[in-house]
Amino acid sequence: DSGVTQTPKHLITATGQRVTLRCSPRSGDLSVYWYQQSLDQGLQFLIQYYNGEERAKGNILERFSAQQFPDLHSELNLSSLELGDSALYFCASSEGEGQASSYNEQFFGPGTRLTVL
Amino acid sequence: GNSVTQMEGPVTLSEEAFLTINCTYTATGYPSLFWYVQYPGEGLQLLLKATKADDKGSNKGFEATYRKETTSFHLEKGSVQVSDSAVYFCALSDRSGGYQKVTFGTGTKLQVIP
Repeated sequence: DSGVTQTPKHLITATGQRVTLRCSPRSGDLSVYWYQQSLDQGLQFLIQYYNGEERAKGNILERFSAQQFPDLHSELNLSSLELGDSALYFCASSEGEGQASSYNEQFFGPGTRLTVL
Repeated sequence: GNSVTQMEGPVTLSEEAFLTINCTYTATGYPSLFWYVQYPGEGLQLLLKATKADDKGSNKGFEATYRKETTSFHLEKGSVQVSDSAVYFCALSDRSGGYQKVTFGTGTKLQVIP
C-alpha cells in the first residue's frame, strides 16, 4: 500500500460526458502528479501540483483540468469525453516539488479505470 | 525532448531463468534513471534508481547500471520467480524548466512460468 488513494476505482460513462477523478496523497506529501496510461500511448504525464499551485504540464488536453485543494487532495476533471479517453488514470505524490538535485520518489495510487462508451 | 526506449514485450521466461530488459534513453544534461514495476491491478512502484553515470541500482535481486557511454540502463536479474511477473517501466528524470520531469518508457510485460 503506497498510501495514495484514488476514487473511484472504476468509472463507466458515455461520450460527451464529464467526470471527476479524486486523489488523496500520502500524508505529508505536497506534490501530486497525474498520469494517463493507455494501451497505445503508454504512460503519459499530464500535470503536477505542489501545495496547491500548478508546477508542470505535460500532455494534458484542453478538455482536461485539475486542481489541488488546501487539504492537498487533488481532482482531475475530464470533460467532453471521447472514446479515446478510455484509460487508466494514475495519481502519484511526492514529498517535495522536485527542484532539489536529489530525486523525490513518486508514490503511485492504484489508479482509476475510465471506460467511455 | 527526452525519450526512453525499452524492449517490447511480452517477455516469457521459465522460473530461475536469467532476465534482461533493455532500456536506452535520450536526454540533455545528466538525468537520473529508474526502473518502476507495476504488479497486476496495482499502481507503479519504484524498484531501483541510479543518479549518476556508473552507479548501480539494486533491489530484490534486480540490478541496473547507469551507462552514459551507451545511454543505457538495462534491468537484470539472475533468477526470476513467478512472483516477478509484472510490467516493468524504465524512466528518466531531469529538471526541465526548473522542475523535475519524469519520462517513462512504454513498459515491458514479464511473465514467469513455473
